[in-house]
Amino acid sequence: EAGVAQSPRYKIIEKRQSVAFWCNPISGHATLYWYQQILGQGPKLLIQFQNNGVVDDSQLPKDRFSAERLKGVDSTLKIQPAKLEDSAVYLCASSSDGRGETQYFGPGTRLLVL
Amino acid sequence: SQQGEEDPQALSIQEGENATMNCSYKTSINNLQWYRQNSGRGLVHLILIRSNEREKHSGRLRVTLDTSKKSSSLLITASRAADTASYFCATDSSAGYKLSFGAGTTVTVRA
Repeated sequence: EAGVAQSPRYKIIEKRQSVAFWCNPISGHATLYWYQQILGQGPKLLIQFQNNGVVDDSQLPKDRFSAERLKGVDSTLKIQPAKLEDSAVYLCASSSDGRGETQYFGPGTRLLVL
Repeated sequence: SQQGEEDPQALSIQEGENATMNCSYKTSINNLQWYRQNSGRGLVHLILIRSNEREKHSGRLRVTLDTSKKSSSLLITASRAADTASYFCATDSSAGYKLSFGAGTTVTVRA
């Protein structure tokens, strides 16, 4: 079974530029999560999708971050415009039902904002 | 805010020794999970323990849960160099299914 795929693996941009991350979850997983992990901290949930609907986006900075999951499969997370404090690893995870069970994580995208 | 808090922040042990780390949390939970993260990688699920369970084993891992003290511990027995990683506890509060992660314990196993 293929795992969660993410791209790109690394991205360096300047502040005020835009960036987008892509995630392909495990086949058949209804729930998809985007996390932000700042160096030295645990992952923080940004947004949770159930199929193509948003379940929780309470910690998503909506003035600059957006995410979509068209057709309930792949997902894209965008930052526009980026700030220095957005430098972090962005992790995508998926689970079968979103009811607190095991989450399967991708390798993450490491973002550096200069 | 992060619900779980791991202790210690860092741990260095000799290969073959046991490693123990603890997690404390604030609100009632449905379950508690432990994840491992190797440097530069994503998180890997290790074990899930439900609120009505007290102890669970998986290979060299032993997890305990004390809901009265709102705490959990992860024991890794007979550690190996490959166990070098950061370990995170994540709680799923009974008020919803969102996982909240702690800041993690960084374990270094010396050869």
